[in-house]
Amino acid sequence: AQSVTQLDSQVPVFEEAPVELRCNYSSSVSVYLFWYVQYPNQGLQLLLKYLSGSTLVKGINGFEAEFNKSQTSFHLRKPSVHISDTAEYFCAVVNPQGGSEKLVFGKGTKLTVNP
Amino acid sequence: DTGVSQNPRHKITKRGQNVTFRCDPISEHNRLYWYRQTLGQGPEFLTYFQNEAQLEKSRLLSDRFSAERPKGSFSTLEIQRTEQGDSAMYLCASFLRGGNTGELFFGEGSRLTVL
Repeated sequence: AQSVTQLDSQVPVFEEAPVELRCNYSSSVSVYLFWYVQYPNQGLQLLLKYLSGSTLVKGINGFEAEFNKSQTSFHLRKPSVHISDTAEYFCAVVNPQGGSEKLVFGKGTKLTVNP
Repeated sequence: DTGVSQNPRHKITKRGQNVTFRCDPISEHNRLYWYRQTLGQGPEFLTYFQNEAQLEKSRLLSDRFSAERPKGSFSTLEIQRTEQGDSAMYLCASFLRGGNTGELFFGEGSRLTVL
């Protein structure tokens, strides 16, 4: 079975500051990794994903994440945040051998960008 | 708008009543997923369908819960004899098998409040 731990439930930052949202996962098999974002009153949408290859992946809205196999981490970063980045961010994994595309999510990190 | 629609968006009911939620996925998507999200938690998998076949059910899905996808298009999730612990956001997502791994398209959710 897979599990995801998001170490921070809330992260407040000021506009134009850098931010890192942390994610660690646990799995006995290789997994694919994802970050989803949920803006207020909207559904979840995919921000970025790591399947294989380069460990640094870039997503929408200037976000990027780095896969670290030895540390079983997939932290999300943005060098300069905007007010509009205020949202809840979810890290998720899927077992590519399972065939179900069933995502297992972390508890989420609420990012609040203050002016 | 992801193309996945859920109705109703909000439902307030009294304990013991039955409720039904509907999900209309993206039309060509053959897989449909139900997740539950409670306050402070990430989405938790409930069940998924491939076409009209229900392929997996979580242990979270007690016998008071039933999901159907009769013609392989829309799906319903019914909760019988609701309890206060059923209060949550119920999320639907769809996926085209063979599509981009892990890229589920989520609806905006149906929020259930049980009084």
